[in-house]
Amino acid sequence: EAQVTQNPRYLITVTGKKLTVTCSQNMNHEYMSWYRQDPGLGLRQIYYSMNVEVTDKGDVPEGYKVSRKEKRNFPLILESPSPNQTSLYFCASSLYPIGYEQYFGPGTRLTVT
Amino acid sequence: GENVEQHPSTLSVQEGDSAVIKCTYSDSASNYFPWYKQELGKGPQLIIDIRSNVGEKKDQRIAVTLNKTAKHFSLHITETQPEDSAVYFCAAPFYNNNDMRFGAGTRLTVKP
Repeated sequence: EAQVTQNPRYLITVTGKKLTVTCSQNMNHEYMSWYRQDPGLGLRQIYYSMNVEVTDKGDVPEGYKVSRKEKRNFPLILESPSPNQTSLYFCASSLYPIGYEQYFGPGTRLTVT
Repeated sequence: GENVEQHPSTLSVQEGDSAVIKCTYSDSASNYFPWYKQELGKGPQLIIDIRSNVGEKKDQRIAVTLNKTAKHFSLHITETQPEDSAVYFCAAPFYNNNDMRFGAGTRLTVKP
């Protein structure tokens, strides 16, 4: 089954404690991206990757890091989480960035206290 | 700046009525316009898309219309059913950044 998986689905952590949210896709897609969803603000892009070892900032990259060492995986790293990073996070993948369906993961709800 | 504006933010209709959600975009080069549906507790899922070489596309009870001159596109849902209740997002491409931008979302509630 074609899918995007994310882990964990829920995470409660404290300010400053490094965390990683994993993302994996099994569709051999070139393009992967991370979004955060906040009430009234829709989906805002954090980082995206056009291919292995190629990543770039989206609209709201501050406080986040990513890596793309393998085509299927695109982890999101919060080196020092802060309460304003409490949000619902989605990973997505598509064959190419424009003109193709984006497949979204199930989401990760992060709470930083 | 480059963005996608979506209206309304909430929409409540009676079962069987029609629902219309509208989006405007700013990049005149945009040529691909998808609509995504997000059900509670799930990630968004593509329900219909349209490319700029056509003005309208239908898929059963769902249709999308595009006005490239005015730079807006709309989602039309006819004969709404309770299972249509969800958050709907429009999106449009911005070629300077080579990515898609999403609207803020519309929460549709269909009352039985």
